Amino acid sequence: SAVISQKPSRDICQRGTSLTIQCQVDSQVTMMFWYRQQPGQSLTLIATANQGSEATYESGFVIDKFPISRPNLTFSTLTVSNMSPEDSSIYLCSVEGKAYEQYFGPGTRLTVT
Amino acid sequence: AQSVTQLDSQVPVFEEAPVELRCNYSSSVSVYLFWYVQYPNQGLQLLLKYLSGSTLVKGINGFEAEFNKSQTSFHLRKPSVHISDTAEYFCAVSEGTGRRALTFGSGTRLQVQP
Repeated sequence: SAVISQKPSRDICQRGTSLTIQCQVDSQVTMMFWYRQQPGQSLTLIATANQGSEATYESGFVIDKFPISRPNLTFSTLTVSNMSPEDSSIYLCSVEGKAYEQYFGPGTRLTVT
Repeated sequence: AQSVTQLDSQVPVFEEAPVELRCNYSSSVSVYLFWYVQYPNQGLQLLLKYLSGSTLVKGINGFEAEFNKSQTSFHLRKPSVHISDTAEYFCAVSEGTGRRALTFGSGTRLQVQP
């Protein structure tokens, strides 16, 4: 299984600002995913990030709001831009294992005031 | 498009009793099925998965699940639960070789009482 770390683990931000979340994997992976888990809710996919290509966003998520970088096979960032209280969530990155399972990072707990 | 329905939002059960957490899915293509567990303030941990073959799959911590294609279900079971099993459980599907991202159910909170 892959070991995934995320930074920061939590943050409290003011509305209108931006936060960049980092995701680091201990091995090279092709596909990385970013999910959002709103308070008391399930996980919703934001985008799929493959190295060397632009991220693919799900319906309801746009690049201007959630820009993603994938500079190499072990690292990705997600930026939450122009934040509002509705962006308060846990943001998780994941990677695909060798048999279609996904491994998740510990998450970044974001609170927007 | 895929969808996952977890029929119970909360399941209270006494310690050492058996438990079943229900999951039904909908998809126009063959799917791969997963159960994840999320302990309080932690990330998601894979419990088990079904890709193909035997419909009864065993996972970690004594959990098992049975894939039923005709009923489009993938229910999770444990014959005897412990206090430490208290957590949120998520059922998820993917298209495997197609759309690789996971579609999650709404989750079931398992509350094990002494």
